[in-house]
Formats: sequence, C-alpha cells, structure tokens
Amino acid sequence: NAGVTQTPKFQVLKTGQSMTLQCAQDMNHEYMSWYRQDPGMGLRLIHYSVGAGITDQGEVPNGYNVSRSTTEDFPLRLLSAAPSQTSVYFCASSYTAAGGRGGYTFGSGTRLTVV
Amino acid sequence: TQLLEQSPQFLSIQEGENLTVYCNSSSVFSSLQWYRQEPGEGPVLLVTVVTGGEVKKLKRLTFQFGDARKDSSLHITAAQPGDTGLYLCAGARGAQKLVFGQGTRLTINP
Repeated sequence: NAGVTQTPKFQVLKTGQSMTLQCAQDMNHEYMSWYRQDPGMGLRLIHYSVGAGITDQGEVPNGYNVSRSTTEDFPLRLLSAAPSQTSVYFCASSYTAAGGRGGYTFGSGTRLTVV
Repeated sequence: TQLLEQSPQFLSIQEGENLTVYCNSSSVFSSLQWYRQEPGEGPVLLVTVVTGGEVKKLKRLTFQFGDARKDSSLHITAAQPGDTGLYLCAGARGAQKLVFGQGTRLTINP
C-alpha cells in the first residue's frame, strides 16, 4: 500500500542515548514534515522539508536533527535523548506545504519513551 | 498563541445524538482540512474545503467553511461508536504549511 512508513513503532531510550526515527514515503511527495503529539498540546511541528536537500525548523526543533538526501526518506535524529522528548512522533508528506486537496498523509507514528 | 482554536476540547455523548465541533480563527485561510485520528494511528484526512460558505457532506458528517474563511464546523448526525476519535482541523494560508488546531476528543457511548 502506498503511504508513509515509520519505524520503529515503539522505542524506549535511556537519557543521553541517540537514535534515528525513520520515515519513508512512496508517493513522490516533495513536502515532508515531523510532528510530535503530546496530551493537550496537539501536533507541534519539529522540522520540515520542501524537497531533497532542503530542510527547515518548525516550532520545536531543539534536540532534533533532520536531513533529506532523497525525495523518499526523511529521518529524524534525536541527538541526546531527554525525558522531555517522551512523545508520539508522526511523519507526514504531501505534494505541497499547504496540503492541497489531498491533504497530508501521516504515518502511523513512533511512540518514544525516554527514561 | 493558538492560531486555530477548536471547541470543545472534549465531548462525550450517547449514541444517536447529534453534535457540532467548531474550529475558529481570527485569520483568513485559503483552505481548511479536517482529519480524524484513531488510537495508535496517524491522522487521516476527511475533507478539504476551499470556498467561503462551502458545505461538504460525508455520510453523517457535514463540514462547513465560514463565509469569511476564518472558521469551520463539523456536524455529526446520529453519532455512532465508530465516530469516536480525535478530530483535528488544519488551515492553509496560501502556500504556507498547514496550521493545526489542538483537536477535539470525541467519545460516543453505546
């Protein structure tokens, strides 16, 4: 099935560890983004990309790094995990930043716990 | 400051009742989208409205975009337990990235 694939689905990290959350899409979408979702906070944008080689910060970028070497892949790296990064992370893709008629396609999420 | 305010944030009603969820802003949007998110999954697009005053129907769900394109509503008729989930509105301003509301968590009790 075409869509956005996120791995892993669940992850437990110790404080200070680093890890990469993977995101891949097969719809040839130019725009990709990462969100975190916390209770009562809605979706908060971490980083986004408008095409291969182009990335920019969202509203909560600290502690996270991204790169976009291909159209398909947009990994999110946690540099040194902190308990405040415990959250559910979603990757989304679309033809345009505004979503257009088709909106954003979201992955099924990665539930991350930092202890 | 939340650009898109959704109300109510939580709603729990009995099966068969009607309900309305609101998405309000002081800003004008070129389009507005509604998503539904079920537990353990990502949000899924329900509808996009682009014209002021536009009304779209999806079975028992009716979506309306305000005339001034600053607000939107979602009305569900005869709610069913399968309607349970988190409903998110999201607005686009020109070519800029989407802005999401904080969501309305809806529970339909059998």
